[in-house]
Amino acid sequence: DTEVTQTPKHLVMGMTNKKSLKCEQHMGHRAMYWYKQKAKKPPELMFVYSYEKLSINESVPSRFSPECPNSSLLNLHLHALQPEDSALYLCASSQDMGLPSGRPDEQYFGPGTRLTVT
Amino acid sequence: DAKTTQPNSMESNEEEPVHLPCNHSTISGTDYIHWYRQLPSQGPEYVIHGLTSNVNNRMASLAIAEDRKSSTLILHRATLRDAAVYYCILVGLHGSSNTGKLIFGQGTTLQVKP
Repeated sequence: DTEVTQTPKHLVMGMTNKKSLKCEQHMGHRAMYWYKQKAKKPPELMFVYSYEKLSINESVPSRFSPECPNSSLLNLHLHALQPEDSALYLCASSQDMGLPSGRPDEQYFGPGTRLTVT
Repeated sequence: DAKTTQPNSMESNEEEPVHLPCNHSTISGTDYIHWYRQLPSQGPEYVIHGLTSNVNNRMASLAIAEDRKSSTLILHRATLRDAAVYYCILVGLHGSSNTGKLIFGQGTTLQVKP
């Protein structure tokens, strides 16, 4: 099973709402990632978790709060978002960040959650 | 972070080979060359990667220049399903500034004509 699942597929939220995006993988991967992709633009890295610890935060505003409750799950908690945060949010996982093998591992992406902030 | 340069778009006919170029003149000795593609309405998909030698897998081939300053992704027989945005990305080993990071450039949009 090489699948990364993301829920929900679509989400519409107001600027005062709190919502969460969920990502799950059962490949035994120990690195998980959140990316943001605006329309007709390439994905941009937001966060990286390695062995359930936050490893990289690409200076993302605090209204985005990631959480990795266990090695299979990754959440992105959303609060007080702005309309410009509307985008496709992609989750990915990889074996790890290349620590044991010494080479960067390929990442497996989910289909994304299409978020609209009104 | 080391940058890559790709043509914005390319066209191919179905069942013909496609060569997608990528320039990465500032590549460091420990950067791997990764290729991903993104089909319409889907997340990116890993295609292939290499360090110095040419690589083949079931999806494609990767030809890497001897000086590593450029590479070419080769699709041997393009199908309509290969129409996608193709991204060439340099990924570093642990300890480098681009460890574990996929820094996507604009990529090449490949159109495949029947």
